[in-house]
Amino acid sequence: KQEVTQIPAALSVPEGENLVLNCSFTDSAIYNLQWFRQDPGKGLTSLLLIQSSQREQTSGRLNASLDKSSGRSTLYIAASQPGDSATYLCAVANNAGNMLTFGGGTRLMVKP
Amino acid sequence: DAGVTQSPTHLIKTRGQHVTLRCSPISGHKSVSWYQQVLGQGPQFIFQYYEKEERGRGNFPDRFSARQFPNYSSELNVNALLLGDSALYLCASSWTGTAEAFFGQGTRLTVV
Repeated sequence: KQEVTQIPAALSVPEGENLVLNCSFTDSAIYNLQWFRQDPGKGLTSLLLIQSSQREQTSGRLNASLDKSSGRSTLYIAASQPGDSATYLCAVANNAGNMLTFGGGTRLMVKP
Repeated sequence: DAGVTQSPTHLIKTRGQHVTLRCSPISGHKSVSWYQQVLGQGPQFIFQYYEKEERGRGNFPDRFSARQFPNYSSELNVNALLLGDSALYLCASSWTGTAEAFFGQGTRLTVV
């Protein structure tokens, strides 16, 4: 059974800092990995999708890496802003690609 | 273009009642998945439908059922509601069952 862990569970940083969020998973037989953002009480916003054959993806100030063999992914946020405050979730798709297993999320607060 | 739309946004039900939640996918998407998110946790997979057929089922009791219609919209039904069914129910759509998932804003279900 796939298990996804995100560390840290919560993070508070001053505005402007670069930061790294971590995600680990136990079964390396994945189809892809997605990072999402969730604002309180809201749905999920897709940030980045990395296919199992890829090593990284970039979108603006965000960069996500994937090391499938070690079961790890990181989300790098450059020059953090207060508007980045949210919960960040990583999710891995099983080998059939039809089911996402989520981590518990990292709650990020960026202070002005 | 409209994103994934879910209705209703909020719902209060009494224990033992039945509830139906609805989801309209992004235009052109043929797959719909349902997830349950309890407060403070990551979403848990319930069902995936692709081309009107069930393609995946999570570890939920038979009280949970779903279907997908010819226009690719979907319903999630929950019978004999329990207090523990209180959660945010999220719908995700994708072009195929294995492509990037896009989530709706969710339906907040409270069982009293």
